[in-house]
Amino acid sequence: EIVLTQSPGTLSLSPGERATLSCRASQSVSSSYLAWYQQKPGQAPRLLIYGASSRATGIPDRFSGSGSGTDFTLTISRLEPEDFAVYYCQQYGSSPPSTFGQGTKVEIK
Amino acid sequence: EVQLVESGGGLVQPGGSLRLSCAASGFTFSSYWMSWVRQAPGKGLEWVANIKQDGSEKYYVDSVKGRFTISRDNAKNSLYLQMNSLRAEDTAVYYCARVGGGCSGGSCYAPLDYWGQGTLVTVSS
Repeated sequence: EIVLTQSPGTLSLSPGERATLSCRASQSVSSSYLAWYQQKPGQAPRLLIYGASSRATGIPDRFSGSGSGTDFTLTISRLEPEDFAVYYCQQYGSSPPSTFGQGTKVEIK
Repeated sequence: EVQLVESGGGLVQPGGSLRLSCAASGFTFSSYWMSWVRQAPGKGLEWVANIKQDGSEKYYVDSVKGRFTISRDNAKNSLYLQMNSLRAEDTAVYYCARVGGGCSGGSCYAPLDYWGQGTLVTVSS
């Protein structure tokens, strides 16, 4: 089983700042089958990024993903008030079908 | 518009059973793999089970194997999760989600692109 470790656990930033979230895998993620999701309190997760760097439909271009192998990054170029949330990475190319990281909370400083 | 609406959650005693349902609309349900994902209170996400378009392949996380059964009725555009021998550690919000592409031999090549709003299952005496 691939274990995903996200860091930091909490990121305290101000609106307009840049956010950089990390997701490290215990073994290589095949073909960059790595996704990022955003979850706000009381809501379901929303797909942001898939294939490590492709934005999902309707996702603003301030969200970008990068990385390959075992190291992946989600970057939010300029935080908007609605971006304060918890972010999860997920690998979906290996068996079991998918595992998630433990999440990074982006909170208002 | 793609919609997934879960139902069937509630309070159940340890050792009890519960059946969750997920009603799908806005897409051709029979063309997609579907998943259940759960989230314990204040915790992260955990994939639970996947089912192929025709129901012929099913995969489970180890912790629910032999206790949970995923199924679907394509005529009713519905996904189900039968949960038996429930334990306190099964307490969670359960989400149904659509797999956005294909899977093979238990591995999927697409993320979960649409999610329902979730239904809460509480296992407690």
